[in-house]
Amino acid sequence: EVQLVESGGGLVQPGASLKLSCVASGFTFSDYWMSWVRQTPGKTMEWIGDIKYDGSYTNYAPSLKNRFTISRDNAKSTLYLQMSNVRSEDTATYYCTRGYGSYDYWGQGVMVTVSS
Amino acid sequence: DTVLTQSPALAVSPGERVTISCRASESVSTGMHWYQQKPGQQPKLLIYGASNLESGVPARFSGSGSGTDFTLTIDPVEADDTATYFCQQSWNDPTFGGGTKLELK
Repeated sequence: EVQLVESGGGLVQPGASLKLSCVASGFTFSDYWMSWVRQTPGKTMEWIGDIKYDGSYTNYAPSLKNRFTISRDNAKSTLYLQMSNVRSEDTATYYCTRGYGSYDYWGQGVMVTVSS
Repeated sequence: DTVLTQSPALAVSPGERVTISCRASESVSTGMHWYQQKPGQQPKLLIYGASNLESGVPARFSGSGSGTDFTLTIDPVEADDTATYFCQQSWNDPTFGGGTKLELK
């Protein structure tokens, strides 16, 4: 069974940094592109970016490119999202997803709240 | 960004046929996908590539369209289909529609 389990969320102050993790199981992690998608409290969905199966290529939403970094450790079957200089508008549920283009598996999501 | 526009809400009776539309601000060819999201859950892929049924998804769900106009059809609708349905394009940098909340009468 494919599972994606995110962690690392919580309450963070504006301007701080935060790193989310997503542990994958039930499939060969190193065979798949992976992506991060977030959903605001108002339910708006936003693609953050994706990473090639071997980690050699990443692509980001232009509005987030300078603050967010996606990486992966295939030996640990883990996907990461490094968030820096967070803002109140980054408050959302962050989903780890499998795929490139369409996303056939999603994690349960991890909540990030940016507030002082 | 490619903007995807969906109607906010629909209400139908069980057993009926429902069509949920998604219009793109520019052509996305067949790079359109549909997701179902129930309250408190993560989205679930239903249709990919505009018309391809994801494995394990009931055949009551179908998708059509190309270019700028797309449709998700559920026929017949069941009570368990109460959810919000999102379209998402991947022809350009991925974007999502605002979602259509489907309620059953």
